[in-house]
Amino acid sequence: TQLLEQSPQFLSIQEGENLTVYCNSSSVFSSLQWYRQEPGEGPVLLVTVVTGGEVKKLKRLTFQFGDARKDSSLHITAAQTGDTGLYLCAGVILRMGRDDKIIFGKGTRLHILP
Amino acid sequence: NAGVMQNPRHLVRRRGQEARLRCSPMKGHSHVYWYRQLPEEGLKFMVYLQKENIIDESGMPKERFSAEFPKEGPSILRIQQVVRGDSAAYFCASSIREGTRTQYFGPGTRLLVL
Repeated sequence: TQLLEQSPQFLSIQEGENLTVYCNSSSVFSSLQWYRQEPGEGPVLLVTVVTGGEVKKLKRLTFQFGDARKDSSLHITAAQTGDTGLYLCAGVILRMGRDDKIIFGKGTRLHILP
Repeated sequence: NAGVMQNPRHLVRRRGQEARLRCSPMKGHSHVYWYRQLPEEGLKFMVYLQKENIIDESGMPKERFSAEFPKEGPSILRIQQVVRGDSAAYFCASSIREGTRTQYFGPGTRLLVL
């Protein structure tokens, strides 16, 4: 059974602070996606990382894919109240001759205090 | 440029009733995925459909749940004889091509079973 563990589950910090959330698995993924979900809405894709060791930046958000493609991190610099939300990671597993399989973690619920 | 649409956004049913959840994919997308999200849980894959075909239903409960994606019209997730444990948010996602790597999520239907 492939599992994606996200940590921490909950994080509440002051505006302006930095933070890192993690996504870990014992499985190897062909790619890994990060989503942000706001209350009452569906997840919105933020980024997809594909290559081991890859780093992608999206304004104040930095995403890194582990060298072994089993884990990933999301670092937010100078958090803002607009960053509040549920951050989900999802691992993509290629299946020969079939559709890809995607597995979601339970998410990190981030709350930025003004 | 409408995104994925789901209706109703909220649905209340009594135990034993039927729930029908509708999903209209993004224009040009012929691949639809249904997920279930319980409070404090990640997204759980249920079923993957293409027009008129079920491709992967490995995440669907064996009883009471069914899904279709007809040639014309939205995809339907049908839950017969609902029980309290069916209460959850149900999300639909669509993609333009085979595989799950880039999916666009709808806003979800929140089902409450009384």
